Amino acid sequence: EAEVAQSPRYKITEKSQAVAFWCDPISGHATLYWYRQILGQGPELLVQFQDESVVDDSQLPKDRFSAERLKGVDSTLKIQPAELGDSAMYLCASSRQVRGIGSNEQFFGPGTRLTVL
Amino acid sequence: AQKITQTQPGMFVQEKEAVTLDCTYDTSDQSYGLFWYKQPSSGEMIFLIYQGSYDEQNATEGRYSLNFQKARKSANLVISASQLGDSAMYFCAMRETLKTSYDKVIFGPGTSLSVIP
Repeated sequence: EAEVAQSPRYKITEKSQAVAFWCDPISGHATLYWYRQILGQGPELLVQFQDESVVDDSQLPKDRFSAERLKGVDSTLKIQPAELGDSAMYLCASSRQVRGIGSNEQFFGPGTRLTVL
Repeated sequence: AQKITQTQPGMFVQEKEAVTLDCTYDTSDQSYGLFWYKQPSSGEMIFLIYQGSYDEQNATEGRYSLNFQKARKSANLVISASQLGDSAMYFCAMRETLKTSYDKVIFGPGTSLSVIP
């Protein structure tokens, strides 16, 4: 069964360092999402891609966060420099279509748990 | 304003009993979708069930059913015959599409469900 892959699963870094997360969505899925989830809260959308284009990055802290999805397949989310408040789970998800016909549900990867010391 | 409200931070249910997890939502769109996801302690988000705003029948998927009351803007999840493996966080989510050219999915704060043997 096809799955969304993410790496690394865990990352510990010191503040002011750079970190990068990788996501490979399910093959053929047009839409890719990056979410941040603070412990005990719901996922918050950071950035959403349609193929290789960003369609929503309104909640992305652009002074330190960047995201790309070159060739419209896998994606990288970068934080530079990391801050203590960035400690969270970073979830990647993909869905088949850009606009839902039917459920068009999101398929999530296992997440990357980031700890900033 | 909160788009998705889940008023029960934590719930307990006896094994084999049924439990209802509440979700209310706020949207001015006529066309939208509602989802429930499960997140075990391992962290992965698992899609459970979907209800479209124009669907006349309440959605069902195995032991999961969605009690959709459109006029009240509620989409409660009912889990029948609870099992120990149902212990997890449960998130209600809403997809809006009318104002954008792409799906925008918003998650609620979640409800922690504990199943007691």
